[in-house]
Amino acid sequence: DTEVTQTPKHLVMGMTNKKSLKCEQHMGHRAMYWYKQKAKKPPELMFVYSYEKLSINESVPSRFSPECPNSSLLNLHLHALQPEDSALYLCASSLLPGEYISYEQYFGPGTRLTVT
Amino acid sequence: EDKVVQSPLSLVVHEGDTVTLNCSYEVTNFRSLLWYKQEKKAPTFLFMLTSSGIEKKSGRLSSILDKKELFSILNITATQTGDSAVYLCAGHNYGQNFVFGPGTRLSVLP
Repeated sequence: DTEVTQTPKHLVMGMTNKKSLKCEQHMGHRAMYWYKQKAKKPPELMFVYSYEKLSINESVPSRFSPECPNSSLLNLHLHALQPEDSALYLCASSLLPGEYISYEQYFGPGTRLTVT
Repeated sequence: EDKVVQSPLSLVVHEGDTVTLNCSYEVTNFRSLLWYKQEKKAPTFLFMLTSSGIEKKSGRLSSILDKKELFSILNITATQTGDSAVYLCAGHNYGQNFVFGPGTRLSVLP
């Protein structure tokens, strides 16, 4: 199973709402990632979790709050977002560098978020 | 600041043509260079390159890395309409950061 799943596929939320994005993988990967991708732009790294601990936060505003409750799940909690936060949010997972030679990232299908 | 540049940004060819996509990088503590194909949804992995001069091949696609010149190319031979996509390269460092280039949008016409 080389699948990363994300829910929901689409999300429309107001600026005062609180919502969460979910990501799941069962490949035994101990690194999980959140990316933000705007239209016709490459993915931008937001957060990296290694062994369920936050290892990289790319200066993301606090209205985005990641959580890694266990080695298979990754959440992104959203609160008081702005319209410019509308984007495709991609989750990815990989083996941790140093454990094995091959550590390509597997991406989920993404959640398309619209903030109104 | 780490940076990945790709060229061309856009390319239109006809089926059967051969294309070469370019990627140059400036990545601190560089570990590897990865190529992805992105159609309508999430990127799908193509190649990971860690050593200079060793070509990786998968069907009609091949890629090579030059760590001295900080450069990689992705070749696609005998292109097909199904190759139409955005091709992304990403630099990966030992700090687990992945920096993506802007992508090359390839359109293959029948």
